[in-house]
Amino acid sequence: EIVMTQSPAALSVSPGERATLSCRASQSILSNLAWYQQKPGQAPRLLIYGASIRATGIPVRFSGSGSGTEFTLTISILQSEDFAVFYCQQYNKWPLTFGGGTKVEIK
Amino acid sequence: EVQLVESGGVVVQPGGSLRLSCAASGFTFDDYAMHWVRQAPGKGLECISLISWNGDTTYYADSVKGRFTISRDNSKNSLFLQMHSLRVEDTAFYYCARSSLQLWPADFWGQGTLVTVSS
Repeated sequence: EIVMTQSPAALSVSPGERATLSCRASQSILSNLAWYQQKPGQAPRLLIYGASIRATGIPVRFSGSGSGTEFTLTISILQSEDFAVFYCQQYNKWPLTFGGGTKVEIK
Repeated sequence: EVQLVESGGVVVQPGGSLRLSCAASGFTFDDYAMHWVRQAPGKGLECISLISWNGDTTYYADSVKGRFTISRDNSKNSLFLQMHSLRVEDTAFYYCARSSLQLWPADFWGQGTLVTVSS
């Protein structure tokens, strides 16, 4: 099983600032990485797939990068509605596995 | 409007059985693979099962293999998860989700149904 490790576990950021979230895979997953956002009481929402491709309707302030084992999600200018938990997921091999999540909190 | 609506979540005793359903609408159901993903309260996400668009290929996480069965009825736009030998650690919100390919991220999720395994 491919283990996904996210860091940090929590991040305090002020609205208008940039947030950078990291995700590491235990083995190469090429670019088969997705990012999801989950707000309290809601289902996850797909933000990024293919490591850097924004899903339909996702604002340009969300961007992804990386390949192999190291990946980054950047939220360029945090809006109030962006505060949530973010998960990375690899889909290179079954079982599809998620990282433990990064909670982005208001500073 | 795309919709996925899960149902069937209840409180069940350890060792019991349960069948979850997911009703799909607003898209061509048999164009998509379907996932079951669970989330224990306050915890992270676990993809436990996946089924191909026609049901010919299924995948299971080790944590549920041999106890859970995924199936679908494309004529009724429905996805199912039959759960047996339930354990306390199966307590979670269960989400159904779709993806355009089998091993591919889920681009739309239902709101989930809560399964509680407790004596």
